[in-house]
Amino acid sequence: GESVGLHLPTLSVQEGDNSIINCAYSNSASDYFIWYKQESGKGPQFIIDIRSNMDKRQGQRVTVLLNKTVKHLSLQIAATQPGDSAVYFCAENNSSASKIIFGSGTRLSIRP
Amino acid sequence: SQTIHQWPATLVQPVGSPLSLECTVEGTSNPNLYWYRQAAGRGLQLLFYSVGIGQISSEVPQNLSASRPQDRQFILSSKKLLLSDSGFYLCAWSVPDTQYFGPGTRLTVL
Repeated sequence: GESVGLHLPTLSVQEGDNSIINCAYSNSASDYFIWYKQESGKGPQFIIDIRSNMDKRQGQRVTVLLNKTVKHLSLQIAATQPGDSAVYFCAENNSSASKIIFGSGTRLSIRP
Repeated sequence: SQTIHQWPATLVQPVGSPLSLECTVEGTSNPNLYWYRQAAGRGLQLLFYSVGIGQISSEVPQNLSASRPQDRQFILSSKKLLLSDSGFYLCAWSVPDTQYFGPGTRLTVL
């Protein structure tokens, strides 16, 4: 969409601290949400997903929170490590659509 | 398990030359296939998607075209490249709703 032309916002986090990356989605009909991690020069990798019948889902060191009331999605990374440095994209989908809508992305930078 | 391949990994082409990027998927049948472009430091722009052989939907008017000659093969083409075609091209597949991306092709048009 229009956000593809914008520079990515950056979140700078101290190594060992928790990171919280936020995303606002647009379509109230969306019922499936995904977080991707993209390292430099590589394709985006699936991290974690959540369906609209849930408000929280946990993975290994990552947690996704979904607030359907305000159409907000967040990714929490516990004990952030240098290997977490990447661009993180949220994505939304609904079961009737053939394509996913991606957010503009957030660059996560880790301070030693 | 499913895997997705893209080639070439990098490509440098002169303005006005043709382009052909290939994407193949293994380990799945009848996937939805997608081509994205990503400019440096930017988000993902959906270019084309396909829900089946010979079925192509174009998202933005541009200098590029796509074809799907086989179930698990998706090709991105151009007859004459422009400078503005430079970027990182990503192929993705989905069955049914989560998309998985290939390693990408970095195209530089000079």
